[in-house]
Amino acid sequence: DIQMTQSPSSLSASVGDRVTITCQASQDISNYLNWYQQKPGKAPKLLIYDASNLETGVPSRFSGSGSGTDFTFTISSLQPEDIATYYCQQYDNLRITFGPGTKVDIK
Amino acid sequence: EVQLVESGGGLVQPGGSLRLSCAASGFTFSSYWMHWVRQAPGKGLVWVSRINSDGSSTSYADSVKGRFTISRDNAKNTLYLQMNSLRAEDTAVYYCATGAYYFDYWGQGTLVTVSS
Repeated sequence: DIQMTQSPSSLSASVGDRVTITCQASQDISNYLNWYQQKPGKAPKLLIYDASNLETGVPSRFSGSGSGTDFTFTISSLQPEDIATYYCQQYDNLRITFGPGTKVDIK
Repeated sequence: EVQLVESGGGLVQPGGSLRLSCAASGFTFSSYWMHWVRQAPGKGLVWVSRINSDGSSTSYADSVKGRFTISRDNAKNTLYLQMNSLRAEDTAVYYCATGAYYFDYWGQGTLVTVSS
């Protein structure tokens, strides 16, 4: 199975800061990389699909990039409502794996 | 409005069985692949299983293969997960979700606790 790593595992930033999370796959996954936001006690929410496509209704401060094995997720201006854990997820043939998550909070 | 509502969770002893259901509404259920994803308390997301739109193809995570069975009833707009030989490490919130390559809709989850 393809393994996913994410860094950092947690971060603290100020409102308005630019926040970047990286996700690395153990082998080439083309652009089959998606990003989710999960708030405590809630189901995950899809933010970015196919590495760089913004899901309908998601604020434009969220963005994604990358292909192959290295991917980046960015919040251009952190807002208080963005406090959550963020997960990357890859799709490889019949198997799916998630990254371990990055917890984001306000400094 | 798309809705996915899981049910069937609860407390079960190790070695026991449980069947989860996911009732779908607000979209053409029979056209969509469906998945189960779980999350142990305080831990990350783990994909469990998926089924294609007509139920003819399934796949499983290695950790549940041979113990769990995913199925669907398109006439009833319902997804199922039959869980047998349950272990303590299966304790988690189980979510159903729609999608093929990514999960655009999720249920609220149902908690399964495996403990004596």
